Amino acid sequence: TQLLEQSPQFLSIQEGENLTVYCNSSSVFSSLQWYRQEPGEGPVLLVTVVTGGEVKKLKRLTFQFGDARKDSSLHITAAQPGDTGLYLCAGPSTSGTYKYIFGTGTRLKVLA
Amino acid sequence: EAGVTQFPSHSVIEKGQTVTLRCDPISGHDNLYWYRRVMGKEIKFLLHFVKESKQDESGMPNNRFLAERTGGTYSTLKVQPAELEDSGVYFCASSQRVWRGGYNEQFFGPGTRLTVL
Repeated sequence: TQLLEQSPQFLSIQEGENLTVYCNSSSVFSSLQWYRQEPGEGPVLLVTVVTGGEVKKLKRLTFQFGDARKDSSLHITAAQPGDTGLYLCAGPSTSGTYKYIFGTGTRLKVLA
Repeated sequence: EAGVTQFPSHSVIEKGQTVTLRCDPISGHDNLYWYRRVMGKEIKFLLHFVKESKQDESGMPNNRFLAERTGGTYSTLKVQPAELEDSGVYFCASSQRVWRGGYNEQFFGPGTRLTVL
């Protein structure tokens, strides 16, 4: 069974601090996606990483896909209150590439 | 372009009643998915339509759940009769037909929060 475990589960930090969120699995994924979800809304896609070792940047957010394609990280530099939300990683299941496996989520709160 | 929409946003029903959730995907998206998150758990796949055909319904919990997508446009998910453990947030997502670069970008709706009392 493919599982994606995220850590930490909860994170509360001050504005301006840096943070890293992790997404780990014992299974290889062909790609991993990161989403952010805010209350009352559905997950919104931030980025997709496809190649092992790939690094993608989205303003203050840096995403990395592990060399073995079993893990990924999201690093936020100088966090702002607008970064507050639930961060989810997801990847396609080996039993059906359109079927996504979601991680447990990291709930981030950035205090002003 | 309008995103994925879901109706209702909230539904509170009693055990044994029937509820029907609706999803309108992004226009032109052949693929439509239903997911569910129950309290404290991760989002889990329920099923996948390509146009009006069910491609994968391996995540459907039991036969109390019935999904349809007549005409390949909007989809409904009916729960009959509802049980307490059906409570959760039901998400719908859609994606284009083309599998781009080895991955499939799914766009999610805001979800329907179902509470079964």
